[in-house]
Amino acid sequence: NAGVTQTPKFQVLKTGQSMTLQCAQDMNHNSMYWYRQDPGMGLRLIYYSASEGTTDKGEVPNGYNVSRLNKREFSLRLESAAPSQTSVYFCASSEGLGEGTDTQYFGPGTRLTVL
Amino acid sequence: QKEVEQNSGPLSVPEGAIASLNCTYSDRGSQSFFWYRQYSGKSPELIMSIYSNGDKEDGRFTAQLNKASQYVSLLIRDSQPSDSATYLCAGKYNNNDMRFGAGTRLTVKP
Repeated sequence: NAGVTQTPKFQVLKTGQSMTLQCAQDMNHNSMYWYRQDPGMGLRLIYYSASEGTTDKGEVPNGYNVSRLNKREFSLRLESAAPSQTSVYFCASSEGLGEGTDTQYFGPGTRLTVL
Repeated sequence: QKEVEQNSGPLSVPEGAIASLNCTYSDRGSQSFFWYRQYSGKSPELIMSIYSNGDKEDGRFTAQLNKASQYVSLLIRDSQPSDSATYLCAGKYNNNDMRFGAGTRLTVKP
């Protein structure tokens, strides 16, 4: 099992360009998450999907959109990238069935730089 | 307001000592709490989860939860250099919304 995979690993964009970060999990998990991590800021939740067919805003959703394509895949789109979106992006998944099933498993991260 | 706060550190302890990491949360709606460890340049990985008041032990790690004081802690006994990492506290809210603290960087000196 690959666990949680993310593509790409690295990306450089110019201000105003768009891109989609891809995430897939092979653990049959119900819940999926997108976080960004900036130095000294910990992990901040951008969007999450508690189950297939649902998405909800997290702490910092502005400038992002998401799609839960199916149970395995959860993508994050930047429509018009800004330098403030330079960060490391992590995708995570969990069973999401309540207490004891909410351990999150993280992907390797995507390091994004916006010039 | 769903906030989780940690002392950002850094925290330095000698090998073999007890490392104590602390976390507070602002929203009593959070019922589940987690400690993740993150090595530099790597992804976070779960160390402990705790759901009830009191202590939960797993090997050298003990998590403590006090819901009345809105306080979560992690104790690492017999600290090893391999424990040197950033430790992230997290709280889960309704519908699987998760909030993380900024992390505490721990260094264990041989």
